Amino acid sequence: DAKTTQPPSMDCAEGRAANLPCNHSTISGNEYVYWYRQIHSQGPQYIIHGLKNNETNEMASLIITEDRKSSTLILPHATLRDTAVYYCIVRVGGFQGAQKLVFGQGTRLTINP
Amino acid sequence: DGGITQSPKYLFRKEGQNVTLSCEQNLNHDAMYWYRQDPGQGLRLIYYSQIVNDFQKGDIAEGYSVSREKKESFPLTVTSAQKNPTAFYLCASSHTGLAGPSRELFFGEGSRLTVL
Repeated sequence: DAKTTQPPSMDCAEGRAANLPCNHSTISGNEYVYWYRQIHSQGPQYIIHGLKNNETNEMASLIITEDRKSSTLILPHATLRDTAVYYCIVRVGGFQGAQKLVFGQGTRLTINP
Repeated sequence: DGGITQSPKYLFRKEGQNVTLSCEQNLNHDAMYWYRQDPGQGLRLIYYSQIVNDFQKGDIAEGYSVSREKKESFPLTVTSAQKNPTAFYLCASSHTGLAGPSRELFFGEGSRLTVL
């Protein structure tokens, strides 16, 4: 699976959009980009995933560049409850079986009042 | 409510003792996983199971054992052979099919093991 690079930490003001970048320059054509987040001392929570088109759900938007070498997770109106570690993961799709996701160190996002 | 239940939430163990962490899910998921997390680090895969009576080693299986006798249950035993067992342990589950429900991972709340 392709390796991802994320900044170790970011800050964002409450109510503003939080934009979390992820580089995955070695991504291959059949690899998806997944985002999870982990609030302190809890299990990670799935946010969103995509292949090449931009995706949006009730939690966030995922913008993937045309060359697919990087992506940005957008939390449109960040709240204090969005303070967490955010993991960007790249994984091959299109197969049956277990999803063996590799969670790196992620980005620690702090939302400030 | 459907979900994953891990117990106990906190556990203390003396060196040389085996300890078993429980993980139960009522999401009707075929696949289950155990991850380990150390302070300030990401998650590392210990074991996973795609179906009852079958399981595979992850990246750090040494010193751990699992069983999958029921679809709903995937207990993890931390044996005395695990040299540095103090950590946060997370259980997860997912669907496995290509079509149908999403295959995102659902995680439990974790079990924090401390070796005294």
